[in-house]
Amino acid sequence: DAGVIQSPRHEVTEMGQEVTLRCKPISGHNSLFWYRQTMMRGLELLIYFNNNVPIDDSGMPEDRFSAKMPNASFSTLKIQPSEPRDSAVYFCASSSQPGMGYEQYFGPGTRLTVT
Amino acid sequence: KNQVEQSPQSLIILEGKNCTLQCNYTVSPFSNLRWYKQDTGRGPVSLTIMTFSENTKSNGRYTATLDADTKQSSLHITASQLSDSASYICVVGGRDTDKLIFGTGTRLQVFP
Repeated sequence: DAGVIQSPRHEVTEMGQEVTLRCKPISGHNSLFWYRQTMMRGLELLIYFNNNVPIDDSGMPEDRFSAKMPNASFSTLKIQPSEPRDSAVYFCASSSQPGMGYEQYFGPGTRLTVT
Repeated sequence: KNQVEQSPQSLIILEGKNCTLQCNYTVSPFSNLRWYKQDTGRGPVSLTIMTFSENTKSNGRYTATLDADTKQSSLHITASQLSDSASYICVVGGRDTDKLIFGTGTRLQVFP
């Protein structure tokens, strides 16, 4: 298996623009997680899905952030409008079990820079 | 407040030496604790996962210990290699909240 796939790997955009990050989980995994990592705050869970349904979105910072999982093999994280403070590395992870107690496999991340 | 604190923030050692990284947490009730290795520019990779009933787990040259009474964990790296240079992140799961609390990591650099 290719592991968790994320695209793009790097994104540079101007403040106010819409940004869409994409994730393909490991085939057969039914839980998907979106994380954000910054130097100051480390890794933070934004949202997680189980069987394509959002279970916990309490980490989504504000309404500018939205996530969807239209099917078991694809998810998007959208920021509209983007702001410089959104600059971070965004990771997607998947797991074969529901909940937070099991092994999670991380993708390579998308480094977002908002100028 | 549920917190995970790691020490030291950064560490430099010579190749072949051993080292120990520390993790203290206040998450309660506790469910599991895991250590991740994150190479620069990559996503974290799991090294070990321990439940509250386990007090040690090994993965090759990596050995994690857990003392649930004192809420402390350590990650011991034996005979370090240049490829061990990375950030090591301690993550604690709570039993009731189904959330993971992440430490900010220890940055390890191994020099020849």
